Amino acid sequence: DAGVTQSPTHLIKTRGQQVTLRCSPKSGHDTVSWYQQALGQGPQFIFQYYEEEERQRGNFPDRFSGHQFPNYSSELNVNALLLGDSALYLCASSSGLGDTEAFFGQGTRLTVV
Amino acid sequence: GNSVTQMEGPVTLSEEAFLTINCTYTATGYPSLFWYVQYPGEGLQLLLKATKADDKGSNKGFEATYRKETTSFHLEKGSVQVSDSAVYFCALSDPATNKLVFGAGTILRVKS
Repeated sequence: DAGVTQSPTHLIKTRGQQVTLRCSPKSGHDTVSWYQQALGQGPQFIFQYYEEEERQRGNFPDRFSGHQFPNYSSELNVNALLLGDSALYLCASSSGLGDTEAFFGQGTRLTVV
Repeated sequence: GNSVTQMEGPVTLSEEAFLTINCTYTATGYPSLFWYVQYPGEGLQLLLKATKADDKGSNKGFEATYRKETTSFHLEKGSVQVSDSAVYFCALSDPATNKLVFGAGTILRVKS
């Protein structure tokens, strides 16, 4: 059983560019949440998708957007990249919206130069 | 709003020493509490969890008890190993949304 998979594992972008990160949830999971983990800090919640809709959003600007597909996979898009967007981006999947265990992928390391 | 505070690191111990990492939380309602571990270059792995007051979560020799009266969820292990070296995150989950709120993390280094 494949767990949560994220792609790519690493990438480098230039300030002002746009980036798309991808996540496939664990089999049987239908909810995907995205987190940003800056170096030396704990993960910060970006948003959560369920039934192809954004259900919850953290304190992130509109430059951060997402999408969930009918197969439950998800994308995180960041426009007009800033140096401060450099971080590890983690995807977590779970079942439904209730209090269920979240499983994390290994993350995508984004470096903005 | 909900928040988690955990002790600053790094915590450096010798192999077989006793480990405590303190964690306190602020939350409305009745959150679930978690400890996650992150090994170098990897994502987060759930270590243990507790869903209600006085519950004890345990896994791989680690334990933590949900203390509502002190709003705490301290992580303990009786005898650490070099392989336990990692970053440990305390977190809470809003049961209505499943959104996780994390502490800043505590680096644990175990020397042989």
